[in-house]
Amino acid sequence: SAVISQKPSRDICQRGTSLTIQCQVDSQVTMMFWYRQQPGQSLTLIATANQGSEATYESGFVIDKFPISRPNLTFSTLTVSNMSPEDSSIYLCSVSEGTQYFGPGTRLLVL
Amino acid sequence: AQSVAQPEDQVNVAEGNPLTVKCTYSVSGNPYLFWYVQYPNRGLQFLLKYITGDNLVKGSYGFEAEFNKSQTSFHLKKPSALVSDSALYFCAVRDDTGFQKLVFGTGTRLLVSP
Repeated sequence: SAVISQKPSRDICQRGTSLTIQCQVDSQVTMMFWYRQQPGQSLTLIATANQGSEATYESGFVIDKFPISRPNLTFSTLTVSNMSPEDSSIYLCSVSEGTQYFGPGTRLLVL
Repeated sequence: AQSVAQPEDQVNVAEGNPLTVKCTYSVSGNPYLFWYVQYPNRGLQFLLKYITGDNLVKGSYGFEAEFNKSQTSFHLKKPSALVSDSALYFCAVRDDTGFQKLVFGTGTRLLVSP
């Protein structure tokens, strides 16, 4: 299975600022996904990021708040913009090789 | 739309005893079902999946799952629990629109006591 890394692993941010999370995969993959896991809750898909096309956002998530880049087949970024305490979550990227494999997550705390 | 339900927030079992973590699903087509485990401060780890074939699926760390089409269930099982199995377990179903996104259940916390 693909090996996925994320940076940063955790961060504490002030409200109103933005944070960009990086996801790096050790092999080329077509489909990448970004999920959010709010404290004590399950995972919710934010968007699907395919190389060479605009990300596809799920209901309740918008590009202005969560812009995504997918410059090549091994890398993607998710930006959490104009953060508020409600954005405090774990953000996970995943890749699909038939089965989805997940990165270790980025733990974000917004004060 | 696809959905999965995990009716138990927490399952408690003694070490050495068999464990079952329940999952039921609702799909419009063929079910593609998955189990993942999340250890504290770790990402999600893939355990096993059902796509087609045998109803009993074997996965990592001695876990297995039984697919039951008539009961629309995909329960996770292990014959003998270990304290180290204590974690958060998620059942998931893959969307059938072709985009391969996953819909997750609410998760079940497994606590194995010594």
